[in-house]
Amino acid sequence: DTGVSQNPRHKITKRGQNVTFRCDPISEHNRLYWYRQTLGQGPEFLTYFQNEAQLEKSRLLSDRFSAERPKGSFSTLEIQRTEQGDSAMYLCASSRTSGSHEQFFGPGTRLTVL
Amino acid sequence: AQRVTQPEKLLSVFKGAPVELKCNYSYSGSPELFWYVQYSRQRLQLLLRHISRESIKGFTADLNKGETSFHLKKPFAQEEDSAMYYCACGTNNLFFGTGTRLTVIP
Repeated sequence: DTGVSQNPRHKITKRGQNVTFRCDPISEHNRLYWYRQTLGQGPEFLTYFQNEAQLEKSRLLSDRFSAERPKGSFSTLEIQRTEQGDSAMYLCASSRTSGSHEQFFGPGTRLTVL
Repeated sequence: AQRVTQPEKLLSVFKGAPVELKCNYSYSGSPELFWYVQYSRQRLQLLLRHISRESIKGFTADLNKGETSFHLKKPFAQEEDSAMYYCACGTNNLFFGTGTRLTVIP
């Protein structure tokens, strides 16, 4: 499968713990996006990268959320001191910067905070 | 403020009937408009985008800038069209609606 991959697919954690999710984009895609989706809602944009540069992060939900893409390939999303309200599906997508800007989505990581 | 509104959470139609999923948007500037679809147990995937003006799986969507709408239409619904449909707009990051679950009744 050469699509966007995300790990882990499911994560259960206790309130107050830190969690980190990984996203591997399609190899030739420069852009990488993170979204959050809660029950009954559409995906909500969090942040995006072009290569290793984080071009938009004002929509990260709080300072407990951070994302990195150190070598311009895979990315990680970290949530510190998790809260029950962080329970959601976290989606990653990638796209090219030229031609079609179609975003290809990964399967998501489902986070449950107990 | 950027916003995408899909007024119908659920929509049921009979096989062979026409279907229209509504989408209205509010956006500063000139966004691209998209329809994404999520079939059961599958990931979100692009169905169509306004700039390509294509018909995909029999679906079409026309951008009406005056009404800020991008409704999705298909003249004859098929059972395999049952899925969750999301309208989205944006330039780099996308703003999604809350989605419409379409059920096509055999």
